[in-house]
Amino acid sequence: AQTVTQSQPEMSVQEAETVTLSCTYDTSESDYYLFWYKQPPSRQMILVIRQEAYKQQNATENRFSVNFQKAAKSFSLKISDSQLGDAAMYFCAYRSARGGSNYKLTFGKGTLLTVNP
Amino acid sequence: DAGVIQSPRHEVTEMGQEVTLRCKPISGHNSLFWYRQTMMRGLELLIYFNNNVPIDDSGMPEDRFSAKMPNASFSTLKIQPSEPRDSAVYFCASSFFGNRDQPQHFGDGTRLSIL
Repeated sequence: AQTVTQSQPEMSVQEAETVTLSCTYDTSESDYYLFWYKQPPSRQMILVIRQEAYKQQNATENRFSVNFQKAAKSFSLKISDSQLGDAAMYFCAYRSARGGSNYKLTFGKGTLLTVNP
Repeated sequence: DAGVIQSPRHEVTEMGQEVTLRCKPISGHNSLFWYRQTMMRGLELLIYFNNNVPIDDSGMPEDRFSAKMPNASFSTLKIQPSEPRDSAVYFCASSFFGNRDQPQHFGDGTRLSIL
């Protein structure tokens, strides 16, 4: 079974600075997807960014980018120019690219990000 | 375009009562997921439907939990009888798996408190 580990329960960053959230995963598969979801206090689960394992290029969405190291099974999220609205719980998630029940998301425990003004 | 709609947003009830959570997936999506979020266990999948058929219910904790998807636009998660340890946030998510890389879109969740 796949596992996702987020080793940083909490992180803090100053407004306008850059922060990196860590995520590692364990899988025997070669074809899969990785995601970062954001959960603000409103409780919504918001997709931030996703990465396909077969793509070598790191995904980027505006101020959010990832560092995907397939061999190391590492998938970190970098937030540039941090804003107060970025404060939230961030979850790393894994999904197999195979069919059937493997379409479920396996989540890490989350990292609580605080943004200081 | 409307997102995944869950109701109720909050539910408080006494132990032993029946609880029904509802979900309307995004129109056109053919897969639906029920997740539960607790402090102890984090986010975990309860059950997954594809084209209204349950594909994986291995995460359903026990027989007190049941889920149905009578049509492509509606699903329910029922707990009967409810227990205090069922208190959690329950999320519904939907996706379209015609193209394999479609992400799951989540509803706002139902916060369930069993007294």
